[in-house]
Amino acid sequence: DQQVKQNSPSLSVQEGRISILNCDYTNSMFDYFLWYKKYPAEGPTFLISISSIKDKNEDGRFTVFLNKSAKHLSLHIVPSQPGDSAVYFCAATRGGSQGNLIFGKGTKLSVKP
Amino acid sequence: KAGVTQTPRYLIKTRGQQVTLSCSPISGHRSVSWYQQTPGQGLQFLFEYFSETQRNKGNFPGRFSGRQFSNSRSEMNVSTLELGDSALYLCASSLVSLAASWYNEQFFGPGTRLTVL
Repeated sequence: DQQVKQNSPSLSVQEGRISILNCDYTNSMFDYFLWYKKYPAEGPTFLISISSIKDKNEDGRFTVFLNKSAKHLSLHIVPSQPGDSAVYFCAATRGGSQGNLIFGKGTKLSVKP
Repeated sequence: KAGVTQTPRYLIKTRGQQVTLSCSPISGHRSVSWYQQTPGQGLQFLFEYFSETQRNKGNFPGRFSGRQFSNSRSEMNVSTLELGDSALYLCASSLVSLAASWYNEQFFGPGTRLTVL
């Protein structure tokens, strides 16, 4: 039973346009959500996070939106750059800690010049 | 500051064997967590060690075990290897225990690619 789902295995976007990566979750107890980016042959790197008391968090070109009623979050990248091409994982946790993070299976983003 | 290092980077074993993977955290980090990444299951949390004690454990069989040394370096051991154990094993370090707070960034190593034949 997947508690965190990224239903699009891949996404292709033109450079300069917006990339929208989606993530759905089933456990209403999750209260903290994170996005990681992973390049080939490297470990994931933390990108941005959001707690359940917020519905939006911004960091430069990256914005995460949280819709608790729909149990849905999305990562917006504007404008998209070729260097953003990577696999993006969303993750969720509960209880005020990052213990036992639950990850989605990832979405591979390709940004074409 | 050096990042998280994992050795070896690649490993081939046969079914029934055992394997030990090593992780050196970022200097000053006291928490080390281990994750398994497979195409079918994605990234799954194995366990976390902090101050030489296992603090948290994911849903994996007892064949998966680990330990942490006084210098915070950690090893993960998998006994009686099965074909399904073929995966990328990632370790991540953080300053304090994952249970301490949400805002506790984990830094991942490049992983060890284990192939079980």
